[in-house]
Amino acid sequence: GESVGLHLPTLSVQEGDNSIINCAYSNSASDYFIWYKQESGKGPQFIIDIRSNMDKRQGQRVTVLLNKTVKHLSLQIAATQPGDSAVYFCAENSDSSYKLIFGSGTRLLVRP
Amino acid sequence: EAGVTQFPSHSVIEKGQTVTLRCDPISGHDNLYWYRRVMGKEIKFLLHFVKESKQDESGMPNNRFLAERTGGTYSTLKVQPAELEDSGVYFCASSKSDEGGVPGNTIYFGEGSWLTVV
Repeated sequence: GESVGLHLPTLSVQEGDNSIINCAYSNSASDYFIWYKQESGKGPQFIIDIRSNMDKRQGQRVTVLLNKTVKHLSLQIAATQPGDSAVYFCAENSDSSYKLIFGSGTRLLVRP
Repeated sequence: EAGVTQFPSHSVIEKGQTVTLRCDPISGHDNLYWYRRVMGKEIKFLLHFVKESKQDESGMPNNRFLAERTGGTYSTLKVQPAELEDSGVYFCASSKSDEGGVPGNTIYFGEGSWLTVV
């Protein structure tokens, strides 16, 4: 079946640097995308979302980019902090379904 | 306001035994979802309740899994008999029913029930 996948299982960055986490999706019918952060022992926490009619959306220190041509989604974290260390999941959805399809996750490690 | 709560947080059982996981959604949330992440793989949808009705159970892996939501409040997910491949973390989530589509920021996840089958 169609699914959302990730390019890098683990990403290690220096504190203060910018992080980029990538995700590929294959369901062209998906029109809504979300990034979740999961810290150890906790459930997925919403970070930022984007609809398919947009190609960029910014939050406080995060930016999501959507490239529908190549079915690619990325999460950029500016000035990465130790508290950003977690597993990040992308997820996709369409308005016709309440079901979220998650990617396999990328672990972000922040070096002091 | 209390978030989505799940019980137990951790459970270790032997193959062939039964385990029942419980989820209490946020008060007033008609939508309740079960997801799971096994063997370090991606988080996968199991099923979706709207109040006490199963709206979508297409993700339930087999008939060893039974989810209920009697009265439309809390939900249980029973695994009987448990197998080794059922080990993983089971997440419950909830959302209000008056949100169009599924805006991510209205779906709240619990901290998960971590199941180990030995």
